[in-house]
Amino acid sequence: GIQVEQSPPDLILQEGANSTLRCNFSDSVNNLQWFHQNPWGQLINLFYIPSGTKQNGRLSATTVATERYSLLYISSSQTTDSGVYFCAVAIYGGATNKLIFGTGTLLAVQP
Amino acid sequence: DAGVIQSPRHEVTEMGQEVTLRCKPISGHNSLFWYRQTMMRGLELLIYFNNNVPIDDSGMPEDRFSAKMPNASFSTLKIQPSEPRDSAVYFCASSGGQWGNQPQHFGDGTRLSIL
Repeated sequence: GIQVEQSPPDLILQEGANSTLRCNFSDSVNNLQWFHQNPWGQLINLFYIPSGTKQNGRLSATTVATERYSLLYISSSQTTDSGVYFCAVAIYGGATNKLIFGTGTLLAVQP
Repeated sequence: DAGVIQSPRHEVTEMGQEVTLRCKPISGHNSLFWYRQTMMRGLELLIYFNNNVPIDDSGMPEDRFSAKMPNASFSTLKIQPSEPRDSAVYFCASSGGQWGNQPQHFGDGTRLSIL
C-alpha cells in the first residue's frame, strides 16, 4: 500500500519562529489534506490541497504532486500551534474519500 | 454552524459488553467516515458511507464491529462483544461533495476504554 512519511517526527520551537513540515508519499494521489490535532485531541482540517499552494493566515501549504510531496509552513508560531500535524492522502485511481494518514509531526511551541 | 457531533465523549465498560457509538454529521454532507486512533496504529479508516450507503468497510477489524447509517443525519458504530484491545479514540468525520474533493471535518471523538 501507499506509504505516507512525515518529517520531522517532532519539533520544538520558540514562539515567533517559522517552521516547515514535510509529507512524502510513495504513489500518485488524488486527495491530500493537512490536519492539526490539538492537545485536547480535536482534529481540525487545515487544508484540502491535492496540488498547488494555499494560504490561510499564518499557515500555508504547497503540494507538488508530480514529485510526491507536500509542505506545510507555519510562520510566527504561537503556543496554540502546538499539537500533532497529520498529512493524509488518497491513492490516485482509488476511492478519493479513502484517506491514509501519516504518523504525524509533534510540534511544541514554547513561550 | 454545528460541527460533527459524537456521543458519548467517554465510555468505560467491561469486556464482553456491547458498545454503541453515535454520530451526527454536518447537515448537507453526504459522506461519513468512522476512524479509530491508537498509539500503536495511528489513525485508521474503519468504514465510510456515501449517501447513507456503505462504500468501503475493508478497515473494519472483524465481525465484532458493525456500522449503520439509517439516514443522512445519523450513524452508529457498534462493537459486540467488546474486548480490551478495542480501547481507542473513535472519530466520526463528514464531508460534502460526492467525489472526495472536499475537506473532511472531524467530531471530537469518543474515548473508549474496555476493562
